[in-house]
Amino acid sequence: EPEVTQTPSHQVTQMGQEVILRCVPISNHLYFYWYRQILGQKVEFLVSFYNNEISEKSEIFDDQFSVERPDGSNFTLKIRSTKLEDSAMYFCASSDGGQPQHFGDGTRLSIL
Amino acid sequence: GESVGLHLPTLSVQEGDNSIINCAYSNSASDYFIWYKQESGKGPQFIIDIRSNMDKRQGQRVTVLLNKTVKHLSLQIAATQPGDSAVYFCAEILNAGNMLTFGGGTRLMVKP
Repeated sequence: EPEVTQTPSHQVTQMGQEVILRCVPISNHLYFYWYRQILGQKVEFLVSFYNNEISEKSEIFDDQFSVERPDGSNFTLKIRSTKLEDSAMYFCASSDGGQPQHFGDGTRLSIL
Repeated sequence: GESVGLHLPTLSVQEGDNSIINCAYSNSASDYFIWYKQESGKGPQFIIDIRSNMDKRQGQRVTVLLNKTVKHLSLQIAATQPGDSAVYFCAEILNAGNMLTFGGGTRLMVKP
């Protein structure tokens, strides 16, 4: 069964450094998403992306965040200057034209 | 303010029994609902979904019930198995958008 894959599984970064989280969505999907889950808390929406542009974003997705689809298979989330509170699991998801969204297993981001 | 950690309600059932996991949603304009299962160290895994024009939908061993009058969603798992042990999240989408809003989750523990 096709699945969303995310790399790395765990990223450790110094505060203030830039980090790029990578995702390969399911190949025929057109909608891409990032969510995060701070330890012990709910899964929270960050951003959705369709047709090479952001379609929705939450208040969490401020100027420090950006997304990109650099080629036909990858979808990335960049955090420019990481803060301690950015430590969380980051999940990528994709869907074919609506719902449901299929999630990857996440990248654990630890900011030191 | 928001609590730092989320206390998950826990449902403990005997293997072979039926499980019912409940979820209350707040927005009457939500038109799509979905249940996800999350195992430790994994991303949310799609179980079943339902649109607001339905009140019941069945899958393999799972049934979702939607009561729009009281804004309540439930997931029923028949003949619960040890492999069903996980955290279960309901999520909703508002007005045909794409942003999933997740509930707080329920931990299901299946006793052999």
